[in-house]
Amino acid sequence: SQQGEEDPQALSIQEGENATMNCSYKTSINNLQWYRQNSGRGLVHLILIRSNEREKHSGRLRVTLDTSKKSSSLLITASRAADTASYFCATKAMNRDDKIIFGKGTRLHILP
Amino acid sequence: SQTIHQWPATLVQPVGSPLSLECTVEGTSNPNLYWYRQAAGRGLQLLFYSVGIGQISSEVPQNLSASRPQDRQFILSSKKLLLSDSGFYLCAWRLAGASAQYFGPGTRLTVL
Repeated sequence: SQQGEEDPQALSIQEGENATMNCSYKTSINNLQWYRQNSGRGLVHLILIRSNEREKHSGRLRVTLDTSKKSSSLLITASRAADTASYFCATKAMNRDDKIIFGKGTRLHILP
Repeated sequence: SQTIHQWPATLVQPVGSPLSLECTVEGTSNPNLYWYRQAAGRGLQLLFYSVGIGQISSEVPQNLSASRPQDRQFILSSKKLLLSDSGFYLCAWRLAGASAQYFGPGTRLTVL
């Protein structure tokens, strides 16, 4: 079964604006990761936040994690056309080192 | 540095024909290996994963199978393809105990 669910499914914003995507999950996790996928390509790891962290930054990316609500958000500030892609959250369940489960993704389109 | 290869990049096959997709990883040892399928505009569905040579875990019962004949080689097969097997197939690797997962470029399979 799917562990992570992103919303919205699709998002279009003007270049320069901030983009926020959300992810909800079901079970207790060790960490939560965000990945990016350009059209027709493989996924690329962006950022990881551990279950004992509440916020993490990497360049123009800001990730938050609320384990009480089992949710996370990814904020991309000052969006650029090159940020157009699909973004996925992924979770690794507690005591399960063998696999990571991905959500359905948010398709982000940055308008020029 | 580590590299992951998938081939072929694209494939068009008739219904009922066999399938063999190959994935190889370079620059690391004893990785966990994964096969995912992604329908158009959708999320990733975990098909198979392997934590070692000859060890295959199946997530979704279907007419596909996987094998790991060597430490860094992962093969996805089918004896008879169905129309519903069309999709974008992604191979990925991850070191046991690590979190980030690294994806190959994918194979676009169209079954006609």
